[in-house]
Amino acid sequence: EIVLTQSPGTLSLSPGERATLSCRASQSVSNNYLAWYQQKPGQAPRLLIYGASSRATGIPDRFSGSGSGTDFTLTISRLEPEDFAVYYCQQYGSSPFTFGPGTKVDIK
Amino acid sequence: QLQLQESGAGLVKPSETLSLTCTVSGASISGSTYYWGWLRQPPGKGLEWIGSIFYSGSTYYNPSLKSRVTISVDTSKNQFSLKLSSVTAADTAVYYCARGSGWYREWGQGALVTVSS
Repeated sequence: EIVLTQSPGTLSLSPGERATLSCRASQSVSNNYLAWYQQKPGQAPRLLIYGASSRATGIPDRFSGSGSGTDFTLTISRLEPEDFAVYYCQQYGSSPFTFGPGTKVDIK
Repeated sequence: QLQLQESGAGLVKPSETLSLTCTVSGASISGSTYYWGWLRQPPGKGLEWIGSIFYSGSTYYNPSLKSRVTISVDTSKNQFSLKLSSVTAADTAVYYCARGSGWYREWGQGALVTVSS
């Protein structure tokens, strides 16, 4: 089973700032099958990125994903008020699919 | 527009079987090239993938739950279901159904299932 580690656990930033979230895998993620989700309290996760760098339909271009192998990054270029949430990475390159523990982006 | 809706008992006794159904609208399960999945999230914790099913009935499960999980599909009702046997308090979670073959773009709103006597 691939274990995903996310850092930092919490990121305190102000609107307009750049957010850089990290996801590291315990072994190489096959085909870079890595997704990112945003989750707000009481809501289901929302898919942001799949295939490490492809934006899902309707996702603003301030969200971008990069990386390969074992190291992946989600970047939010300029934080909007609605971006403060928890972000999860997920690998689907091998079964069982696994998620990271999440990074909380909160308002500084 | 695709919509998924979980339904089932919100309170289950320890050692009993948790049963949930996901009703799909806006798309046909049997016409889809995607898998249909179940995931869960204990209160205040992260996400866990439970398993997935294709309309043909082909399934794959998380090994950590495989001995207790059954996912089935009823294409005539455009539904798929989850059964989790021998539940304990550790199975208390919000259970989500979702569409995807790895990454999940469409999700249900989630159903809280509490395991308690």
